[in-house]
Amino acid sequence: GQQLNQSPQSMFIQEGEDVSMNCTSSSIFNTWLWYKQDPGEGPVLLIALYKAGELTSNGRLTAQFGITRKDSFLNISASIPSDVGIYFCAGHRTDSWGKLQFGAGTQVVVTP
Amino acid sequence: NAGVTQTPKFQVLKTGQSMTLQCAQDMNHNSMYWYRQDPGMGLRLIYYSASEGTTDKGEVPNGYNVSRLNKREFSLRLESAAPSQTSVYFCASSEGYGGDYGYTFGSGTRLTVV
Repeated sequence: GQQLNQSPQSMFIQEGEDVSMNCTSSSIFNTWLWYKQDPGEGPVLLIALYKAGELTSNGRLTAQFGITRKDSFLNISASIPSDVGIYFCAGHRTDSWGKLQFGAGTQVVVTP
Repeated sequence: NAGVTQTPKFQVLKTGQSMTLQCAQDMNHNSMYWYRQDPGMGLRLIYYSASEGTTDKGEVPNGYNVSRLNKREFSLRLESAAPSQTSVYFCASSEGYGGDYGYTFGSGTRLTVV
């Protein structure tokens, strides 16, 4: 199946630092989504992107839909302890009927 | 405020045993999905149901069966559990065309097969 390459695999950052992660694919996607998973819980949708070049913010989170439609980026500014978790990118192609392709996740650890 | 409810939250099975994972959503969503999550591999689709009365295989269907009992409920059955099926299982639902709107996930079932 299609592969989404998400990097980095993990990040250890200090409180207050900015975080960046990205997701790339060999295929074009029509929609990019970013999820966060807290320990012991299911993923929760953070941001959805629908158009190439689109830049969308949700509080301290900013995500971009790459111009080539083969990548997406997520930035977290001024990290706080509750940003700890696993962040997943997901892509959707119109011809895959509703089925999302997920990246392997980025584990974020925030130290005081 | 329930969203997607999965039961049980934890389960330990012996190799060869069978069990059914239950999932119910109260958002009137048409589409429902079962994923498994393994370390370093992200979420992989096992089965999905585009609408009540239909089910289709996903990326990793072997060893599993599903039933879309009604619009609310979508169950996953392991007929003869194997250690390779040790994983965290997530049920999800979506409004209409799931890819564009994203999924709502349950909190997961942590299954260990010994």
